[in-house]
Amino acid sequence: QKEVEQNSGPLSVPEGAIASLNCTYSDRGSQSFFWYRQYSGKSPELIMFIYSNGDKEDGRFTAQLNKASQYVSLLIRDSQPSDSATYLCAVNGRDDKIIFGKGTRLHILP
Amino acid sequence: DAGVTQSPTHLIKTRGQQVTLRCSPKSGHDTVSWYQQALGQGPQFIFQYYEEEERQRGNFPDRFSGHQFPNYSSELNVNALLLGDSALYLCASSRRRLTNEKLFFGSGTQLSVL
Repeated sequence: QKEVEQNSGPLSVPEGAIASLNCTYSDRGSQSFFWYRQYSGKSPELIMFIYSNGDKEDGRFTAQLNKASQYVSLLIRDSQPSDSATYLCAVNGRDDKIIFGKGTRLHILP
Repeated sequence: DAGVTQSPTHLIKTRGQQVTLRCSPKSGHDTVSWYQQALGQGPQFIFQYYEEEERQRGNFPDRFSGHQFPNYSSELNVNALLLGDSALYLCASSRRRLTNEKLFFGSGTQLSVL
């Protein structure tokens, strides 16, 4: 059973600090990796995607991928109260199914 | 440019009944995937439709079935509803011909089974 694991949190981070969210996956053949943000009562919204090892930056967000360690992370710089949400890690494996983790609840403290 | 649209937004059913949920994909998208999200959990993959056929399926019983129409819209049918089927049902669309293509979600249908 292919799995995507995330710490459920909640992760509490002071406003203006860096929030670090982590995710591990079991399928070594996974090809693409996504981070979705989900506000309470809303549907998931894509915020980052990464396909190659290394870092990818987009504004305040940085996605990091290490395929050898089967690890993907999301860094949020200068955290804002509006960043408070559940962050879902999603992985597209060799069988072309996109599998989601359970999500990490992030709470930005004003 | 219309995004992914789902209907209805909320639905209340009783055990044993049948339900049909509907989804129209984002313009330019030809693939529809359905997910079930229970409270406090991540979305669970139900199945994916492309070219009017089921292409991939997750660990869901045969009570869950679907259909895709020539205009790429899709339906999710659930028969013999159980209390445990209460969840947010999410439809996501993408473009099949592109590798590593991203999913875009609709606003979901909240199903309550009493």
